[in-house]
Amino acid sequence: AQSVAQPEDQVNVAEGNPLTVKCTYSVSGNPYLFWYVQYPNRGLQFLLKYITGDNLVKGSYGFEAEFNKSQTSFHLKKPSALVSDSALYFCAVRDITRGTGGFKTIFGAGTRLFVKA
Amino acid sequence: DGGITQSPKYLFRKEGQNVTLSCEQNLNHDAMYWYRQDPGQGLRLIYYSQIVNDFQKGDIAEGYSVSREKKESFPLTVTSAQKNPTAFYLCASTRAVGGGLMSTDTQYFGPGTRLTVL
Repeated sequence: AQSVAQPEDQVNVAEGNPLTVKCTYSVSGNPYLFWYVQYPNRGLQFLLKYITGDNLVKGSYGFEAEFNKSQTSFHLKKPSALVSDSALYFCAVRDITRGTGGFKTIFGAGTRLFVKA
Repeated sequence: DGGITQSPKYLFRKEGQNVTLSCEQNLNHDAMYWYRQDPGQGLRLIYYSQIVNDFQKGDIAEGYSVSREKKESFPLTVTSAQKNPTAFYLCASTRAVGGGLMSTDTQYFGPGTRLTVL
């Protein structure tokens, strides 16, 4: 079964410093990986995804993620954090096993990012 | 503007009542999903539908029901059989129905409905 883990419940970083939000995955076959962000009382917004190709994926709002196959990781990064980046971040993997119902996305438990001014 | 709408934003339910949460999309997406979000647990899949008049149970379907009579609409009913329904409910959609690269589609989410049992 495919799964995704976010080992940190919370990440604290000072504004202007680089940030990393960690994600590891377990899949059979090639992984399709996603990052989403959620602001309070809102739905999730897509940040970026890895399908194939370059291991460094660039996304919205200056975020990027590095796919590392040997470590089965897909960590989210940003060179310089902003206070407005404070939110809940979800890593997700697409279940490519085609059952009778099609495809599902499996989400991690989420990591809350606090950026302090 | 294309997008997904959910209503109401806040919903209060008395014990023993059924309530229905609305989800509508004008993105012309084939697939639609319902998730439940609880603090510290991330998103859990309740039901999903890949095509009109067909839907599948997710991981926590007990106490919930859905219908998919129209492509644009995927309402969720929280029945009295759901013992702990207080949560934040999110609806999502994707374009993909097929396999291969189609399965890489991004999910688009609605703003959510917060359900509270009184």
